[in-house]
Amino acid sequence: EAEVAQSPRYKITEKSQAVAFWCDPISGHATLYWYRQILGQGPELLVQFQDESVVDDSQLPKDRFSAERLKGVDSTLKIQPAELGDSAMYLCASSLETGEGNNEQFFGPGTRLTVL
Amino acid sequence: GQQLNQSPQSMFIQEGEDVSMNCTSSSIFNTWLWYKQDPGEGPVLLIALYKAGELTSNGRLTAQFGITRKDSFLNISASIPSDVGIYFCAGQEISGTYKYIFGTGTRLKVLA
Repeated sequence: EAEVAQSPRYKITEKSQAVAFWCDPISGHATLYWYRQILGQGPELLVQFQDESVVDDSQLPKDRFSAERLKGVDSTLKIQPAELGDSAMYLCASSLETGEGNNEQFFGPGTRLTVL
Repeated sequence: GQQLNQSPQSMFIQEGEDVSMNCTSSSIFNTWLWYKQDPGEGPVLLIALYKAGELTSNGRLTAQFGITRKDSFLNISASIPSDVGIYFCAGQEISGTYKYIFGTGTRLKVLA
């Protein structure tokens, strides 16, 4: 069964260090999402890609976060420098398209980030 | 960021009981999705709803798209211990980037 892959599963870093997360969506899915989930809350969208283009990054803290999907397939989310408040689960999801219909989102297992 | 209201926040039920939870919004949505999340894992899609009034089942789970398009409901019949987890709703915006807004979650615990 097709799945969204994420790595690493767990990351511990010290504040002010740089961290990067990788996501490989389900094959053929044009839309890729990065979410941040704080313990006890629902996921919140950080950035949404349609193929290689960003369609929504309004909630991405651009002073320290960056995301890319250069070839429209896999994606990397980077934080530099990491802050204590960045400790959270980072989830990647994908869907066939953006828009109505064929847009069921499927999530990967997530990366649990702890900033010390 | 914006989150939808889910009710109840948490539930403790006996094995075999039925469960009902709901999700409400001040905005109209085109699509509702329901997910289950186990600790330390990503959410798993349970049911997708695409039309107002739609009622869809997946095994012991039944979900409905509210006729006002501002709410959705999830029912679990004859609960079992593996139903334990956090259930999230997600509504899709009707314009712009069609992004999903997630609910605050309902934590379910089943007592054997």
